[in-house]
Amino acid sequence: QSVLTQPPSVSAAPGQRITISCSGSSSNIGNDYVSWYQQFPGTAPKRLIYDNNKRPSGIPDRFSGSKSGTSGTLTITGLQTGDEADYYCATWDSSMNAHLFGPGTRVTVL
Amino acid sequence: QLQLQESGPGLVKPSETLSLTCTVSGGSISGSNNFYWAWIRQPPGKGLEWIGSIDYSGTTWYHPSLKSRVTISVDTSKNQFYLKVRSVSAADTAVFYCARHPPSSWPDWGQGLLVAVSS
Repeated sequence: QSVLTQPPSVSAAPGQRITISCSGSSSNIGNDYVSWYQQFPGTAPKRLIYDNNKRPSGIPDRFSGSKSGTSGTLTITGLQTGDEADYYCATWDSSMNAHLFGPGTRVTVL
Repeated sequence: QLQLQESGPGLVKPSETLSLTCTVSGGSISGSNNFYWAWIRQPPGKGLEWIGSIDYSGTTWYHPSLKSRVTISVDTSKNQFYLKVRSVSAADTAVFYCARHPPSSWPDWGQGLLVAVSS
């Protein structure tokens, strides 16, 4: 059972906007940064967002992140077929003294 | 550009020790004072799990659920770091990634190495 909670799946039509939530607690998201990763089958994860809402160079501005209290959110606008992938959130937990990843959300473009 | 490459056996027998190496190129482990070097695993069809991290001086941090079976070490002269997992079982079958990371995100990953635990 993951300490962080993400919806197992999200689906939408091309061009639509989706949000993926990552829910935690005061010992993890409430106390540290959230980052987000995109993973295609058979490949390593790729960082999309760090420090809650910062985008690395090369990441399209269709991807954005936010944090409020003990939850983080990844938003993808203008959804494209190439966005079909698994998405993971990550943070540090100060009670466990462990880096945590969320269970992942499968995004399907209808 | 930094590159990380995992290497090691793709098959390990139950109860034995899994040993992997991560070779770093395009950057120096000893020159990365603000970064950590980590191992992460992903069982087939499942999510990511942090195993542990080490810094250039050899200080380590481990996931509490794996701490009793895991050792991470570093050899800065070879620009490599290592993972050992003792007493493996089928539940340890996974793709193992090595990574470089600052305190709060994961920008740099190896391509991953599938290790199966089976007799």
